[in-house]
Amino acid sequence: AQKVTQAQTEISVVEKEDVTLDCVYETRDTTYYLFWYKQPPSGELVFLIRRNSFDEQNEISGRYSWNFQKSTSSFNFTITASQVVDSAVYFCALSGETSGSRLTFGEGTQLTVNP
Amino acid sequence: GAGVSQSPSNKVTEKGKDVELRCDPISGHTALYWYRQRLGQGLEFLIYFQGNSAPDKSGLPSDRFSAERTGESVSTLTIQRTQQEDSAVYLCASSLAASGSAPSVEQFFGPGTRLTVL
Repeated sequence: AQKVTQAQTEISVVEKEDVTLDCVYETRDTTYYLFWYKQPPSGELVFLIRRNSFDEQNEISGRYSWNFQKSTSSFNFTITASQVVDSAVYFCALSGETSGSRLTFGEGTQLTVNP
Repeated sequence: GAGVSQSPSNKVTEKGKDVELRCDPISGHTALYWYRQRLGQGLEFLIYFQGNSAPDKSGLPSDRFSAERTGESVSTLTIQRTQQEDSAVYLCASSLAASGSAPSVEQFFGPGTRLTVL
């Protein structure tokens, strides 16, 4: 069975602080994919990143960066110099060979960035 | 182009009634997914369509839930004899056909239908 754990239910920071959202996953698949989605108050999920299990290179996109470590089964997400517009629920998700096309989501982390 | 659309955006119904939720995927997307999101929780997979067939229905919680897709386009999720525990946001997503055994393609999500069963 696949599982995604986002241990941080809620995080509150002040604008311009850096913040890291943790994601730990469990899978027996050799080939799998990890995703991060953002769900702003409007409710619509917005895709942020996809990473496959064979690519452990970290990725940076503007203020966002992701750290994938297979050794610890983690795929953490860091927002640098956070802004109020970053306030949202962030979901980590996993798909793999045995799960077919379904995404297995974590419970989400509610990030609040205060001015 | 237009994204995934869902209707209605909100639905309030009485326990025991049937409801139909509609999803219009992005044009050209052959894969379509339904998820359920209970208040304050993550998304639970319900069903996946590739074209008009549903190779994976394993997430449907009971036989009161069914879904169909026609014309490789619109999909309808039907919940019969609704119960209060069915109250949730129902999200639809679409994607290009997943290739290989581990789907890597991005799923694009609609705004969801908020279902409240009184």
